[in-house]
Amino acid sequence: KNEVEQSPQNLTAQEGEFITINCSYSVGISALHWLQQHPGGGIVSLFMLSSGKKKHGRLIATINIQEKHSSLHITASHPRDSAVYICAVRGDSNYQLIWGAGTKLIIKP
Amino acid sequence: NAGVTQTPKFQVLKTGQSMTLQCAQDMNHNSMYWYRQDPGMGLRLIYYSASEGTTDKGEVPNGYNVSRLNKREFSLRLESAAPSQTSVYFCASSGAGTGNNEQFFGPGTRLTVL
Repeated sequence: KNEVEQSPQNLTAQEGEFITINCSYSVGISALHWLQQHPGGGIVSLFMLSSGKKKHGRLIATINIQEKHSSLHITASHPRDSAVYICAVRGDSNYQLIWGAGTKLIIKP
Repeated sequence: NAGVTQTPKFQVLKTGQSMTLQCAQDMNHNSMYWYRQDPGMGLRLIYYSASEGTTDKGEVPNGYNVSRLNKREFSLRLESAAPSQTSVYFCASSGAGTGNNEQFFGPGTRLTVL
């Protein structure tokens, strides 16, 4: 079993829909990252959080430390949101990030 | 600020050839990383450098060497390239303390080994 699991693996939705991508992890963590990888390959950090909730524009990230679960929400989705969304966690005991496999999101106009 | 830059963007090698991938950051970050991403897979850490003068192995270090030349630069060397090293290579950097600060990524180097 992977230490970081994302669901769904693939998601196709219509423009305007509310999107939720989930990340569950099985290790103790000090921080969780959400990143976006564009179809062209570039990787951009969206959020880093260790508790609660963060919001940036139409993106919202939440984390529940007790349940070892985080969600990334996109409101009013748009075709330009089409990308792979990656969850990564930093464990308590080492410096390396543990990466999820990513969720491929396609938003159709 | 250029952020994280990588050279080259594309490279084709023959089996057995060597090359060095260059990475530089201008954000005064302490930590730098090299990842590889194979088609349809997630990122895997090759090596990282928590601070200038230190380097450590990641998940998949075999076949690679690194040099943290100074605070700005972190290079990745393939001494004898193999087809299994065909991948996209990303360099990243982060601020004080590895992992807890967000990582900033370079544009990637697409390497093909024939």
